[in-house]
Amino acid sequence: GAVVSQHPSWVICKSGTSVKIECRSLDFQATTMFWYRQFPKQSLMLMATSNEGSKATYEQGVEKDKFLINHASLTLSTLTVTSAHPEDSSFYICSARSALSSYNEQFFGPGTRLTVL
Amino acid sequence: AQSVTQLGSHVSVSEGALVLLRCNYSSSVPPYLFWYVQYPNQGLQLLLKYTTGATLVKGINGFEAEFKKSETSFHLTKPSAHMSDAAEYFCAVSRGTALIFGKGTTLSVSS
Repeated sequence: GAVVSQHPSWVICKSGTSVKIECRSLDFQATTMFWYRQFPKQSLMLMATSNEGSKATYEQGVEKDKFLINHASLTLSTLTVTSAHPEDSSFYICSARSALSSYNEQFFGPGTRLTVL
Repeated sequence: AQSVTQLGSHVSVSEGALVLLRCNYSSSVPPYLFWYVQYPNQGLQLLLKYTTGATLVKGINGFEAEFKKSETSFHLTKPSAHMSDAAEYFCAVSRGTALIFGKGTTLSVSS
């Protein structure tokens, strides 16, 4: 149980285009989802927290208009990187937490590697 | 504010040797603490967590960690390293419903 999937697993796009990444909880309802960004050989940086049906809460320094997050259902959250540029290239990881999760336990997706040319 | 410091960005051990990965935390409230492992190009897998109660926590793959409030530490250990343990390890502390991660420690295991 507690499986989180991400799609796509990798994507290459041209500079200036937008890319959407999906995060799904496959066998539980995720009341809260989190989006992280990870640069090579570095830690996970929390970008935003999204609760189902409400606006995402972004961490300081993360551009809301650049990284659009939607959490429209209890099993799906999407991250859209708008007008992507090479510096947006990174590994994006989502995680999900259910209302039944104890002690902030989160389940992580396998990640999406974005390369912007 | 909650934060985590992992001492040593890279730890190398021989197969069969003791593994010790260090983590110190800062938290204004009683912390929930986690250790995650990440293999290349994959997401994170939970190794173990401390919430309340027993301070010695046992996790998967033979790992364990001890919560020491007086030292604000939550070091990860394994008595005997396997080649398959080579990976990136992250310590994390809870902040509200979110997790704040340390910078990670790369564990290398040589035969």
